[in-house]
Amino acid sequence: DSGVTQTPKHLITATGQRVTLRCSPRSGDLSVYWYQQSLDQGLQFLIQYYNGEERAKGNILERFSAQQFPDLHSELNLSSLELGDSALYFCASSVDRSNTGELFFGEGSRLTVL
Amino acid sequence: AQTVTQSQPEMSVQEAETVTLSCTYDTSESDYYLFWYKQPPSRQMILVIRQEAYKQQNATENRFSVNFQKAAKSFSLKISDSQLGDAAMYFCAYRVSGTYKYIFGTGTRLKVLA
Repeated sequence: DSGVTQTPKHLITATGQRVTLRCSPRSGDLSVYWYQQSLDQGLQFLIQYYNGEERAKGNILERFSAQQFPDLHSELNLSSLELGDSALYFCASSVDRSNTGELFFGEGSRLTVL
Repeated sequence: AQTVTQSQPEMSVQEAETVTLSCTYDTSESDYYLFWYKQPPSRQMILVIRQEAYKQQNATENRFSVNFQKAAKSFSLKISDSQLGDAAMYFCAYRVSGTYKYIFGTGTRLKVLA
């Protein structure tokens, strides 16, 4: 158990809909990262937050948005969903923004768009 | 552009044998970190081993070791005495020191044959 909690684990929805994925980082970790893993693909970096502020942005679509709350949990909002958004969405946390340490990953939220 | 390439989509190894997974990366940076992550069927991403680019000595963690060739931009993972529990997707990842973005390869699926 990495200590990173993601909900829901599975989600099935229809095109055009909006969903919210939730992540609670490890206790004490200030940084939260979101990654997308499409079928048989590597992890694509979406966005990173540090202590409530956006710190880095990757290939995140305009239809997607995220935020980190004062209690450090984070939400990834996906709207106007398309079939191609079906993927495994990972949240990861680390203790600070410049350390050399590892990312601790949650178990992922599998999104299926029908 | 910074990229990570894993040229072996799938590898097989007999139980108790040794296998090497390949990873190459492209960067103009001199200070960075390299990682190998394991993703078993449970989907959890687990850090296997980490290497700092400034260290000449190859990292070792029990049965896992790396062959880090900085000039060649190569970072291979050797698994000795392979066990059934080693079966998983293995991802090579790269991160420039002082930044927040981790770049992942597309992964190598390792099968361990009994």
